[in-house]
Amino acid sequence: QSVLTQPPSVSGAPGQRVTISCIGSSSNIGAGYDVTWYQQLPGTAPQLLIYDANNRPSGVPDRFSGSKSDTSASLAITGLQAEDEADYYCQSYDTRLGGSIFGTGTKVTVL
Amino acid sequence: EVQLVQSGAEVKKPGGFLKISCKGSGYSFSNYFTSYWIVWVRQMPGKGLEYMGIIYPPDSDIRYSPAFEGQVTISADTSISTAYLQWNSLEASDTAMYYCAAGPPSYNVLTGYYPYSFHYWGQGTLVTVSS
Repeated sequence: QSVLTQPPSVSGAPGQRVTISCIGSSSNIGAGYDVTWYQQLPGTAPQLLIYDANNRPSGVPDRFSGSKSDTSASLAITGLQAEDEADYYCQSYDTRLGGSIFGTGTKVTVL
Repeated sequence: EVQLVQSGAEVKKPGGFLKISCKGSGYSFSNYFTSYWIVWVRQMPGKGLEYMGIIYPPDSDIRYSPAFEGQVTISADTSISTAYLQWNSLEASDTAMYYCAAGPPSYNVLTGYYPYSFHYWGQGTLVTVSS
C-alpha cells in the first residue's frame, strides 16, 4: 500500500550524523504536501518528531531536522545517541489515494 | 494536555465482531472549530504503519483508505469523546496492533482542511484473532 519508500535500516556510531530518505512521487511529496516524521521506540506507540516540513514539537531535541526536495524528503539526526535507536516513519498525503500514507519505515541502529 | 486512551487488548475468534475504542481528553472533542481529526493506524506484527481511515467527530466526516474500505467501520460518539474502530467479521489477518492518533486540521489549497500530521497518539490496542 505504501508509496513512500525508505531504506530498511541505517546505522551510525554515537556522535555521528545519519540521514533517512523518504522517496515519494508527484502525487504526494511532489504535489507540495508536507512530510511528517515519527519515531517509534521499541514496544511503544509512534510519537511525532517533525511536522510541517521542519517543525519540532516541544521536547524534541534540535538534533533532529527535516528537509524536502522535489519528490523526496529526508530526516537528519546529528550527534547520534543510544536513545535514538528506534524505527522512523515518514508520512504525507497522497492525492491518488485520497488520504494519508506512511513510509515503509527505517530502523536506526546505534553502533 | 491532549490524551488518547485506547481500550484493552482483545482475543477473538475468526468471524467474530469487535469494536475497539479511543477516548480523547484535554480538548473539545465535539467543537467543530477546535476539535482534532482521529486517525486509525494498523501495525501488523513486525511490520510498518498503515493508514486505515480518519473521522472528524464534530460532523462525522469519515474517509477510508481504499485498502480498508468495506473491511472496517469508523465511528465516534461526541457525548463521551470516543472514537471507534469496528469489525463485523474478523479474520486471522486482522491480528495486529491498532493505534488511534489525533491531528489538527490544516488548510491546503488543493485539498482543503485535513490533518496532514498526527500529533497525539494512543497507547495502542492489540487485537489477536485465532481459533
